[in-house]
Amino acid sequence: AQSVAQPEDQVNVAEGNPLTVKCTYSVSGNPYLFWYVQYPNRGLQFLLKYITGDNLVKGSYGFEAEFNKSQTSFHLKKPSALVSDSALYFCAVILRTDSWGKLQFGAGTQVVVTP
Amino acid sequence: DGGITQSPKYLFRKEGQNVTLSCEQNLNHDAMYWYRQDPGQGLRLIYYSQIVNDFQKGDIAEGYSVSREKKESFPLTVTSAQKNPTAFYLCASSMERGNTEAFFGQGTRLTVV
Repeated sequence: AQSVAQPEDQVNVAEGNPLTVKCTYSVSGNPYLFWYVQYPNRGLQFLLKYITGDNLVKGSYGFEAEFNKSQTSFHLKKPSALVSDSALYFCAVILRTDSWGKLQFGAGTQVVVTP
Repeated sequence: DGGITQSPKYLFRKEGQNVTLSCEQNLNHDAMYWYRQDPGQGLRLIYYSQIVNDFQKGDIAEGYSVSREKKESFPLTVTSAQKNPTAFYLCASSMERGNTEAFFGQGTRLTVV
């Protein structure tokens, strides 16, 4: 069965410092990988995705993520965090053979950026 | 203004009542989904639909029902059989292909009183 793990419930970082949110996955095939962000009492907003090609993916709001097949990871990064980046971040996976596009989500990581 | 709209934003249900959550999209997306969000558990798939008049159970379908009579609409009914319905419900849509991202509505918070 496919699964996604986000090992940290919360990440605390000072504004201006680098931000990393970790994600590992377990699938039997080649996955499509996604990152979403959620602000309080709102829906999810798409940040970026890995489908194929370059392992470094750039997305919205200055975020990027690196696909590492050998470590089955897809960590989200931002070189300089902003207070407005404080939110709940979700990693998600779809098996390439799954044409329905059903997303399997991690439990989420709360990011807190302090001024 | 394209997007996906959920209503109402807040909903209160008495024990034993059925309630219906609305989800409408004008993105011309083929697929629509309902997810349930509980603190610390991420999102779990309730039902999904690829085309009109067809839908499939997700991981936690018990106590829920859906319909897909129009491409734009995918309402979710939370029945009295759902023993723990208090949660945040999210509707999403996407093109059928698996490599496209899903677009989410703003959610409905359902509380049993």
